[in-house]
Amino acid sequence: KAGVTQTPRYLIKTRGQQVTLSCSPISGHRSVSWYQQTPGQGLQFLFEYFSETQRNKGNFPGRFSGRQFSNSRSEMNVSTLELGDSALYLCASSLYSLRETQYFGPGTRLLVL
Amino acid sequence: GIQVEQSPPDLILQEGANSTLRCNFSDSVNNLQWFHQNPWGQLINLFYIPSGTKQNGRLSATTVATERYSLLYISSSQTTDSGVYFCAVEPSDYKLSFGAGTTVTVRA
Repeated sequence: KAGVTQTPRYLIKTRGQQVTLSCSPISGHRSVSWYQQTPGQGLQFLFEYFSETQRNKGNFPGRFSGRQFSNSRSEMNVSTLELGDSALYLCASSLYSLRETQYFGPGTRLLVL
Repeated sequence: GIQVEQSPPDLILQEGANSTLRCNFSDSVNNLQWFHQNPWGQLINLFYIPSGTKQNGRLSATTVATERYSLLYISSSQTTDSGVYFCAVEPSDYKLSFGAGTTVTVRA
């Protein structure tokens, strides 16, 4: 069974631009969660999607948004990029919720210049 | 929001040694998980353990929810155990919060 895949793996953007990251969960998994990891703030929960609905959201501004498609694939979007958005963005999938074993993708490393 | 504190921040072990990592949290939680991030950045979910004790090979974890702490035990450590161990808790607002992690280095 294929693992969680994230694209792209690396990305360089400039301030003010927007970016879209993609996550394909393990086949059959319906819950997808997103996390941001930075040296300063550590690991932070962004949001969780289940059956195309956002079920939960962390403490991030509205510039951070996401969606989930009917095949459970998910995208997250960051608009009006700031230098502080430079981070490793991790996606995880699980069968039904983040209250069970989550399987993580390799992450997308975003650098904002 | 909830505070999650992990100790120690850094741990250096000789291969074969045992160790205990601790996670304290400041409020009651619905959910507690332990993760391992290897030196290449891959994050792996080790345990979902809101209470009680679980074991998986050389790793085990115990959560005492009433006293607001969880422990992760590593026995007979191996170099592949190196990396950062994170504790994450889900308080009543359902927003998963992570500790700063414990960096473990196992030397051959």
